[in-house]
Amino acid sequence: QVRLQQSGPGLVKPSETLSLNCSVSGGSIGSYYWSWIRQSPGKGLEWIGYIYFGGRTNYNPSLKSRVAISVDPSKNRFSLTLHSVTAADTAVYYCVREPTSHDDAYWGQGTLVSVSS
Amino acid sequence: SYVVTQPPSVSVAPGKTARMTCGGDNIGSKTVHWYQQKPPQAPVLVISYDNDRPSTIPERFSGSSSGNMATLTIRRVEAGDEADYYCQVWDSSSDQLMFGGGTKLTVL
Repeated sequence: QVRLQQSGPGLVKPSETLSLNCSVSGGSIGSYYWSWIRQSPGKGLEWIGYIYFGGRTNYNPSLKSRVAISVDPSKNRFSLTLHSVTAADTAVYYCVREPTSHDDAYWGQGTLVSVSS
Repeated sequence: SYVVTQPPSVSVAPGKTARMTCGGDNIGSKTVHWYQQKPPQAPVLVISYDNDRPSTIPERFSGSSSGNMATLTIRRVEAGDEADYYCQVWDSSSDQLMFGGGTKLTVL
């Protein structure tokens, strides 16, 4: 069974950098789309971006200038970096393995990240 | 950029059929997934690739997509189906993903 385990701080100061990791177990990190998705309090889901096997990335245009997603195949882990955060970046952040034509989607447990001084 | 539109709310009586729509330009040519979310839990995939149902999802759930509209249909609605439902669209032209604003399903 594929399992995604998120780690990272729950509190970040304004103007600083948010960093989260997502460790994958029960399956290889290769040949899938791995996304980060967030949900602000009381709001809907927002796709942040994805990384694909080989390192190809694509980002939400509204966040593209501040975001980077990377992968470390040796650790079966991928990561999110969001620079220059503001209170508007306060949200629950999820890491996700996107569904394929023959397999389900898999979500991490979610991390509430608050941006506050 | 591509815009995806969902009605904010849908209400249905138990035992009836709920239909939730997801609108977008030529959405019938794009890949659509549907998620169910019961806050504060993480979303659960209920329909993938327009009309595929994961094995853990009841047969009462189905999807369709054509033209400018994709639809999630839930037959014989139960109280436990009350949740927020999000469509996720893969726009092949930009190779990006996006969500609709979500529909809150209320079971009367």
